[in-house]
Amino acid sequence: DQQVKQNSPSLSVQEGRISILNCDYTNSMFDYFLWYKKYPAEGPTFLISISSIKDKNEDGRFTVFLNKSAKHLSLHIVPSQPGDSAVYFCAAGTTNFGNEKLTFGTGTRLTIIP
Amino acid sequence: NAGVTQTPKFQVLKTGQSMTLQCAQDMNHNSMYWYRQDPGMGLRLIYYSASEGTTDKGEVPNGYNVSRLNKREFSLRLESAAPSQTSVYFCASSVDAPPGSYTFGSGTRLTVV
Repeated sequence: DQQVKQNSPSLSVQEGRISILNCDYTNSMFDYFLWYKKYPAEGPTFLISISSIKDKNEDGRFTVFLNKSAKHLSLHIVPSQPGDSAVYFCAAGTTNFGNEKLTFGTGTRLTIIP
Repeated sequence: NAGVTQTPKFQVLKTGQSMTLQCAQDMNHNSMYWYRQDPGMGLRLIYYSASEGTTDKGEVPNGYNVSRLNKREFSLRLESAAPSQTSVYFCASSVDAPPGSYTFGSGTRLTVV
C-alpha cells in the first residue's frame, strides 16, 4: 500500500515558468512533510519541509503548500531554472518520538527546458 | 567534508554471494537508515536504527541484515544475493529534531547477476 503517492513520473517546464509538483498521502498520522531533490549518481538532498500546523512554507524560489483535508501537498518552483532539473521526492513522517523514519513517494523527474 | 560516506560505490555480485555495504556518518546523529531505490518504486526503507545498539525492520527487510556497530557506523549485509536485490542503496542519518532532517550518502549501485 503506497502511503505517499506522486502520480506524475515526469514533468517538463520552460525555463522561467512555474513548476508544480504534486504529492498525495493516505496516512492521517503523518504530521510533517518534506521534499527532497536528487541529481543522478548523488544521494537525495533536503529541499524544504512543512509541518501540519501550517498550510504554506516558503524558502526563496521554493514554496510548499499543504491541504490537510485533501491529504495533498505541492511544491512550487518560481522561476524554474535549468539547475532545477532533477528527480523530486515527496516524503512524510510523524513526530512521535522514536519514530523518525520517513515514507517516500516514487519521485517526479523534472526537466527544465532552456 | 562532514556527511555520510558509503562504500563501495559500485558492486557486481553473482547470485548466492554475500557482501556488506558500509556506511559511516560524522555528524553525531543518533538515527541511521538504509533505503533502496528502484525504478517506479521510489525510496523504500529496509532497516533503521534509532540509536546505537538498536535496529528495526522497515518496509522491505527480507534478505538483509544490519549491524549498528557504534554511533557512527551502520552496515547492511546481503547473506545470499538474489537478482531481485539489484538496486541502488542509500544510507542516511538524521537528527531527532527537526524531524526528517536526513543526510544521505551518495549511494551504492549493486547488480546481482
